[in-house]
Amino acid sequence: KQEVTQIPAALSVPEGENLVLNCSFTDSAIYNLQWFRQDPGKGLTSLLLIQSSQREQTSGRLNASLDKSSGRSTLYIAASQPGDSATYLCAVDFGNEKLTFGTGTRLTIIP
Amino acid sequence: NAGVTQTPKFQVLKTGQSMTLQCAQDMNHEYMSWYRQDPGMGLRLIHYSVGAGITDQGEVPNGYNVSRSTTEDFPLRLLSAAPSQTSVYFCASSRLTGVTEAFFGQGTRLTVV
Repeated sequence: KQEVTQIPAALSVPEGENLVLNCSFTDSAIYNLQWFRQDPGKGLTSLLLIQSSQREQTSGRLNASLDKSSGRSTLYIAASQPGDSATYLCAVDFGNEKLTFGTGTRLTIIP
Repeated sequence: NAGVTQTPKFQVLKTGQSMTLQCAQDMNHEYMSWYRQDPGMGLRLIHYSVGAGITDQGEVPNGYNVSRSTTEDFPLRLLSAAPSQTSVYFCASSRLTGVTEAFFGQGTRLTVV
């Protein structure tokens, strides 16, 4: 079964620190992987999309990497700010016209 | 840019009632889908469509119907609401080929009493 896992479920970090969020998936034959941010009571906001042929993508203070052989992706957030507090979701397109989601990591940045 | 628009934002239904959740996108995306989000279970796919006139079932389709008469609209119908359908529902759209970045609506919070 194709599954996506995000560990830990929750993470607290002091403001200003760099941090890494993890995403693992069971099948290396992926089409793409997408990171989302979700604020409480809100929808999902797309942060970064990594195509199967890419190793990483960057947007501002965010950098996402992809290692298909090990079934892992990481989202690196530099110089964290209280406004980064949210739930971060990883979703994988295994090439079957569907996105499979992890259950997310709830990130709290402590001022 | 409107993106993906869902209505209503909130809804309370009585058991057995029916209703339609609306979803519209203005990005000319071929692919549209509906998810439900429940605590501890992540987002689960209900139904999806790869173009007008084409729909297919996802992981949890029971109790829901969809149709896709236009590229822009993808309504989700609850036939006879049950308390187990209390959830937050999200509609998403994306291109079908190339850069298939998914865009989500703001969600509909549904409570069935």
